[in-house]
Parts: sequence; C-alpha cells; structure tokens
Amino acid sequence: QVQLQESGPGLVKPSETLSLTCTVSGVSISSYYWSWIRQPPGKGLEWIACIYYSGSTNYNPSLKSRVTISIDTSKNQFSLKLNSVTAADTAIYYCARGTRVPSFDSWGQGTLVTVSS
Amino acid sequence: QSVLTQPPSASGTPGQRVTISCSGSSSNIGSNYVYWYQQLPGTAPKLLIYRNNQRPSGVPDRFSGSKSGTSASLAISGLRSEDEADYYCAAWDDSLNSPVFGGGTKLTVL
Repeated sequence: QVQLQESGPGLVKPSETLSLTCTVSGVSISSYYWSWIRQPPGKGLEWIACIYYSGSTNYNPSLKSRVTISIDTSKNQFSLKLNSVTAADTAIYYCARGTRVPSFDSWGQGTLVTVSS
Repeated sequence: QSVLTQPPSASGTPGQRVTISCSGSSSNIGSNYVYWYQQLPGTAPKLLIYRNNQRPSGVPDRFSGSKSGTSASLAISGLRSEDEADYYCAAWDDSLNSPVFGGGTKLTVL
C-alpha cells in the first residue's frame, strides 16, 4: 500500500525559501508521476509541479519562476523548493502520486506551511 | 478565479440524487479527460472519478461522472450524510500545459 508523507518547516519567513520533502513508501518512486499541490486555508486546490522518475518536470506557469521540483530515487523521495515566499504562499502542501496528471490516486496527509515573520 | 467553473455550493436530502457541474473550455475539458476529487473535512482529497466516468476500486457506484463538450458533471445518487464534503473537478489544459482545478463545490446533506 503506497504511503506519502510530507516533511519540512511549518513556518517560513517572507522572502525566504520554502523547502518540503515527500517520502514515499510501499512503492518504488521509479515509476509514476509525482506532484505537489497546495490549498490555502479555506480555499481550493492549486497544482504546483510534477516530476517523473526520469527527472522530467512540469510546472504551473504562474509559479514556474519560483519553483523547483526534484527527485531522489535512492531515498524514494521527491522535494519542492519555492523561493521568495509571501503570505500568499501560506497553504497546506500535499504531495501526490499520479499515473498521469491530473489523475492523483494517492495523497499525503498534507502539511501546513505558514509564511510569517 | 479558477479555470474550471463549479458552483460554490450544492445540497440535497438523504436518498436524493444531486449533480455538480464543471464548466471549462476547448483547451481543457473539451479535449482532455476530467477527474473528480472528494475532500472530506480536514482530510486530503481522494480520487473519485478518473477519465470522465471511471471509478477507482472502492468508490461506490452511487458516484458517476459524465462529460459533454466543454462541461462535465458528477452525480451522486442515494445521497448519504457521509457524502458531505468538498468536490473538485480537474483536467489537463493544453493552452497552459498544466492541470487545472475547479474552485470546488461544498456539498451539504440536509
């Protein structure tokens, strides 16, 4: 049974870089598409980026200039970096698996990241 | 403003059939599959419908999806109290070269 677990700081200062890692268990990360999706408190879902195990990536055009997604197959993990954060980046960040995008069939529980000084 | 348009709310009584609409354009729903997610309060979203009308294993057949042109619908029959949740549609957008979500519909079971 596949499980995904997000980890990283829950509080990030404005203008700094948000860094999150998703640890995948129960399945090899060397297949499927792996995505980050966020949800501001009380609002809807926003797809951020995805990566294939081969390393090919795709980014939300509105966030592309600030986002980097990477994968570490040796650790069965993938990561997100979002730089120059503002309060508007405060959200629950989910990692998710997909057989294709946007078919996300497994999700992490989500982690709340607050941007505040 | 979401690329895909959903009504913000919907409601029904137990046993009723409710539908939730999702409106898009030729670059997303009109040319790609539609997916539906259910998000129960305080939990991560769950894939409910994929490829317009397919149910993942474990999803009751009370849930069904359909697509016509640039719009899609999620139907829930035999409404139950545990169906009270937020529902989101999603599709790939060829113009944006990325997936897009609807704004979500909050379903209330009266």
